[in-house]
Amino acid sequence: NAGVTQTPKFQVLKTGQSMTLQCAQDMNHNSMYWYRQDPGMGLRLIYYSASEGTTDKGEVPNGYNVSRLNKREFSLRLESAAPSQTSVYFCASSKTAAGGLSETQYFGPGTRLLVL
Amino acid sequence: KQEVTQIPAALSVPEGENLVLNCSFTDSAIYNLQWFRQDPGKGLTSLLLIQSSQREQTSGRLNASLDKSSGRSTLYIAASQPGDSATYLCAVGQISSGSARQLTFGSGTQLTVLP
Repeated sequence: NAGVTQTPKFQVLKTGQSMTLQCAQDMNHNSMYWYRQDPGMGLRLIYYSASEGTTDKGEVPNGYNVSRLNKREFSLRLESAAPSQTSVYFCASSKTAAGGLSETQYFGPGTRLLVL
Repeated sequence: KQEVTQIPAALSVPEGENLVLNCSFTDSAIYNLQWFRQDPGKGLTSLLLIQSSQREQTSGRLNASLDKSSGRSTLYIAASQPGDSATYLCAVGQISSGSARQLTFGSGTQLTVLP
């Protein structure tokens, strides 16, 4: 039972380079999310996908793009990395966008990104 | 815009002590509140989820309460153990566009339980 998986686990980039963070879930969830976690600031939502074929901006979308490739996979792309994007990135999924009040999100292990 | 605050930012207690972690939020229009645990270098694990209509939830030594009208939640940990050492995050759930569930997180309380 893999749950939510993320690749890579760690990445170092130079300013201006691009990369894609991959996320996959095997729980047949409809909704997927990308967060970043910075020291002292908790987790902030970057983008989310309520269901396959839809994506929406979260609190901090600037500098990122996403693709909901299929129901299982949701990728996050940095087109031109900046030092301010140094962070830990978490992917999460939940059963359904129109779920009940007891719905929770399941998180992946995170990707640590350092932009020099 | 929802804002979630957790106090204290860090807490160190001796083993066996009962403790309370606090969480406050500014917008009471929430559909649930969750407490997560995060171990160093790891992802988040959901501990307790309280629906907006509920007052508390219990799981083992953990008890979470919710007072939506005052914008507060507490996580009570009984008889703390060194294995409880972790960062505890509070997150409130709201409905965003497209009916997606959006979580707003606090910055966490880093708990250390000393043997």
